[in-house]
Parts: sequence; structure tokens; C-alpha cells
Amino acid sequence: KNQVEQSPQSLIILEGKNCTLQCNYTVSPFSNLRWYKQDTGRGPVSLTIMTFSENTKSNGRYTATLDADTKQSSLHITASQLSDSASYICVVSEYRGSTLGRLYFGRGTQLTVWP
Amino acid sequence: SAVISQKPSRDICQRGTSLTIQCQVDSQVTMMFWYRQQPGQSLTLIATANQGSEATYESGFVIDKFPISRPNLTFSTLTVSNMSPEDSSIYLCSVEGTGLILNTEAFFGQGTRLTVV
Repeated sequence: KNQVEQSPQSLIILEGKNCTLQCNYTVSPFSNLRWYKQDTGRGPVSLTIMTFSENTKSNGRYTATLDADTKQSSLHITASQLSDSASYICVVSEYRGSTLGRLYFGRGTQLTVWP
Repeated sequence: SAVISQKPSRDICQRGTSLTIQCQVDSQVTMMFWYRQQPGQSLTLIATANQGSEATYESGFVIDKFPISRPNLTFSTLTVSNMSPEDSSIYLCSVEGTGLILNTEAFFGQGTRLTVV
């Protein structure tokens, strides 16, 4: 069964600190893995997308890693800011050739950054 | 990138009534998707809407409860019919890719927070 599991479920850190969020998946065949940020009352916004051949990708203070062999990904946030408080969702796309692959969503990690 | 305007952003509705959610995209897209996001849960796909054909519904969702329209390549609506408190959730529309070519980016509307009382 294709699944995406995220940990921790929630996390509280102090402003300026770093943190790492985890994502494990069983989706197969694999197409790509995405990390989204969802602010309260807003839709998810893409942070990174990684395909099978990519093992790291950065977007400002966000760095995602992918180990396609172990089917694990992480999202590292550096020097956290209050505006980083949000839910971070891991999404894995199933490969379906020339047609659009189905997306599998994790439940998200709720990050709270305290001043 | 695609910009999606979704409205209403929130609503409080009486049980037994219906609510229609609108989704407008700033470019033509082949497929549009409707999701439900219940508190503490992951996004669940309701249906895929293609222009000119009936929507494709996922297991557990039916057209009578969630009728969808897709009159053109930039617009879609989702109606939540005969609402009950269990329908209280966030509803999101999404598109994959920009233009008529598929790519790996997914864009989401801001969501509609529905509360049924």
C-alpha cells in the first residue's frame, strides 16, 4: 500500500534554531517527492521537488534530501524565523509514464517557532 | 507558475443546504483536482475534473454529494450537497502543471474552510 509517513507530528523550536523534519514513503513506482509549506488558512505552497536522481535540493533556508534507496526524505530548516511557523507536508508522486501520477500526501509536521 | 483564486475562503452553513466553491486559474490547464483536508489529516483527493467530460471520483466520493463542473480550461466548481456536520473541512482545488503540458508542479488554491452547523 502506498503511504507517506511524516515525523514528528509537531515540533516547537526557538527562533534562530535549526530543525529537521522527516518523511518516509512506500510509494512505488516513484516519480518525485515534494515538500510543501502550508500556512494556517492558506493552500500548500511548493518548497522543493526532487526526482529519483536528485539527493539534495535547496530553496533559501530550506534544504531537502532524498534517499531513494531507503525511501526517506528530510527537510532541514536553517536559522528558523517566526514566519516558518506552518505545517510542512511531504508529497510523493507515483510514476505513471506519460500520464499524471497520483499524489500521496503525508499528514504534515506542524512547526511552531517561538521568539 | 499558476495562480489559483478560490472562493469563498470560508463559510458557515446550515445542515441540509449546499455550498458551491469556485476555482479560477490564471492559465489554461488540462486537469483540475479537488481535495478535502480534515483537521490533522492529510489531503484526500475527491475528484479529478477534466474539461468537457465528467469528473472522475475517488473511492468514497460520489457525484450526487460532490457535483463538479468544468466548463472551460480555467474554471471549475465543486458543490457540497445536502451538508452535514461531517462535511466540515477545508476544501482545496489544485492544478498540476501550467498550460496544457503536464509537469511536476502542483499549485493549490487558498482553500475553503467550511463549517456545517
